[in-house]
Amino acid sequence: ETGVTQSPTHLIKTRGQQVTLRCSSQSGHNTVSWYQQALGQGPQFIFQYYREEENGRGNFPPRFSGLQFPNYSSELNVNALELDDSALYLCASSTRRTLSPNSYEQYFGPGTRLTVT
Amino acid sequence: AQSVTQPDIHITVSEGASLELRCNYSYGATPYLFWYVQSPGQGLQLLLKYFSGDTLVQGIKGFEAEFKRSQSSFNLRKPSVHWSDAAEYFCAVLLQGVQKLVFGQGTRLTINP
Repeated sequence: ETGVTQSPTHLIKTRGQQVTLRCSSQSGHNTVSWYQQALGQGPQFIFQYYREEENGRGNFPPRFSGLQFPNYSSELNVNALELDDSALYLCASSTRRTLSPNSYEQYFGPGTRLTVT
Repeated sequence: AQSVTQPDIHITVSEGASLELRCNYSYGATPYLFWYVQSPGQGLQLLLKYFSGDTLVQGIKGFEAEFKRSQSSFNLRKPSVHWSDAAEYFCAVLLQGVQKLVFGQGTRLTINP
């Protein structure tokens, strides 16, 4: 069973630029959630994708957008980068195939460390 | 609003000593609760979860947690810590429907040899 993978591991961008982060979900999972973790903080929910549609969004501006593909992989796009966007971006996959509470378990990838200068 | 509070930002214990990390939540419905561990520069690993039933749940790496509805708490415990337990620990509640995890700020655990 393949776990959640994310790319790239690290990247450095300049304020005002755009960035795309990628996530491959765990085998058998159809739902992807994205979280932002600032230094010294707990992760904050950005949004979730299910069946290629956004299925819930946290308190993040529209310049944070995403996609989910038919193979359930996902992208997080951030436009007009700001210094405060510097953080670890975590992707988590889960499944909605059953009503079992176990389907609510979210499995996290290693994250992408974004630095905005 | 739903929230999770981890009152201790940093805890230091000696190797072999017992450990308890505190977590309090605020959630209107029956909570689904989780503890995750994060090693430096890494993603989150699920330690254990509570959905219903027995209020004492066992997890990986010898950890356990007890759900106390009357106290809105879900504290994590381990009888004897190992140096490899040094990490950041996060408590989280799942908002059902959207399946959004709300995390506490985390507790950093340091182990003295």
